[in-house]
Amino acid sequence: AQSVTQPDIHITVSEGASLELRCNYSYGATPYLFWYVQSPGQGLQLLLKYFSGDTLVQGIKGFEAEFKRSQSSFNLRKPSVHWSDAAEYFCAVGHVGNEKLTFGTGTRLTIIP
Amino acid sequence: GAVVSQHPSRVICKSGTSVKIECRSLDFQATTMFWYRQFPKQSLMLMATSNEGSKATYEQGVEKDKFLINHASLTLSTLTVTSAHPEDSSFYICSAIGSDLAGAVPDTQYFGPGTRLTVL
Repeated sequence: AQSVTQPDIHITVSEGASLELRCNYSYGATPYLFWYVQSPGQGLQLLLKYFSGDTLVQGIKGFEAEFKRSQSSFNLRKPSVHWSDAAEYFCAVGHVGNEKLTFGTGTRLTIIP
Repeated sequence: GAVVSQHPSRVICKSGTSVKIECRSLDFQATTMFWYRQFPKQSLMLMATSNEGSKATYEQGVEKDKFLINHASLTLSTLTVTSAHPEDSSFYICSAIGSDLAGAVPDTQYFGPGTRLTVL
């Protein structure tokens, strides 16, 4: 069965500092990988996704993620965070032919001035 | 493009009553819709998958008679919580996968804003 692990429950970063959120997955075939962001009381917004090809994918709001098959990881990065980036971030895995997603437990990001 | 709406955004009901939540894809046709439940500070738990015109597929442990799902058209799915009880209070989120209309990328789930259900 597929699974997703987000090791960091809560991360605090200073505004302007760089950010990396970790995501590890367990899956037997080539995965589809997603990062979503959720603001309080809101639904999820897609930040970026990886299906195939270039392992470094660019998303919205200045985010990027790198797929590393050897490490079963898909970490999310941003070079300089803004106060508006404070939210909950979810990594998810799916695959071709099965549209269901498996979500990680999420990482809550707090931004301090 | 690829916008999903939910209605209502918030609902409070008495124990024993039924509540219907609508999920609509506004600018694309949703071949498949999903219903999730999210507890405070937790991840999303998939409840069921629905395809237009067919019965929903429920995840293990989800009572299909309690959570009725109808997917009557390519743009609308409804979740009805029947005989709601306080333990059904939660944040319910739908998502949709679309065809290649109006910017919806295949194999990508687009999420609605969620519905907060409180059962008194």
